[in-house]
Amino acid sequence: QVQLVQSGAEVKKPGASVKVSCKASGYTFNSHVITWVRQAPGQGLEWMGWISAYNGNTNYAQKLQGRVTMTTDTSTSTAYMELRSLRSDDTAVYYCARELTLKFDYWGQGTLVTVSS
Amino acid sequence: QSALTQPASVSGSPGQSITISCTGSSSDVGGYDFVSWYQQHPGKAPQLMIYDVTNRPSGVSDRFSGSKSGNTASLTVSGLQAEDEADYYCSSYTSSSTLVFGGGTKLTVL
Repeated sequence: QVQLVQSGAEVKKPGASVKVSCKASGYTFNSHVITWVRQAPGQGLEWMGWISAYNGNTNYAQKLQGRVTMTTDTSTSTAYMELRSLRSDDTAVYYCARELTLKFDYWGQGTLVTVSS
Repeated sequence: QSALTQPASVSGSPGQSITISCTGSSSDVGGYDFVSWYQQHPGKAPQLMIYDVTNRPSGVSDRFSGSKSGNTASLTVSGLQAEDEADYYCSSYTSSSTLVFGGGTKLTVL
């Protein structure tokens, strides 16, 4: 069965960086795109970007350009999302999801990132 | 890219039907048949309910249906049940090769 298992919660200070992992199993990792979505407390879903596990091509949301980097390690079927220069409004649950023809059919359990001084 | 517009809340009694709208533009909802709907219960990850405007993944109840007219997509839930109470989000592919979500709608089953 398809599973996406994310790394644990993080607490970071403003200005720091965070790297969240998403380990995939149950399907051919490099045949799909992985997308990252975040959700601030009490707020809606925000698309952050996606990365092709096949060729590493990425496309990021304009508001995060320059601060976010998405990568994959096909040897371990793991996707990573790094966000730099963290601010308090980056506090959110971060989800990875498998993309299949522009729909997200499997999701990770979410990783809470708290940015606080 | 601005979020798609959804009503903040809708409600209905058990057995009734409700419809949630999702309004965008010709650069997203109106330009592509890549509209999806997600259900999210508190503290849980979103779950895909409808994709490509009208299609249901296997395992999703046929009480859920989707449609689109112009720049507005809609999700209809018929025969409301208590477990349908959740937040619902629409999403659409965009002309910038990105994706945009709606602001979300809280469905309350009275």
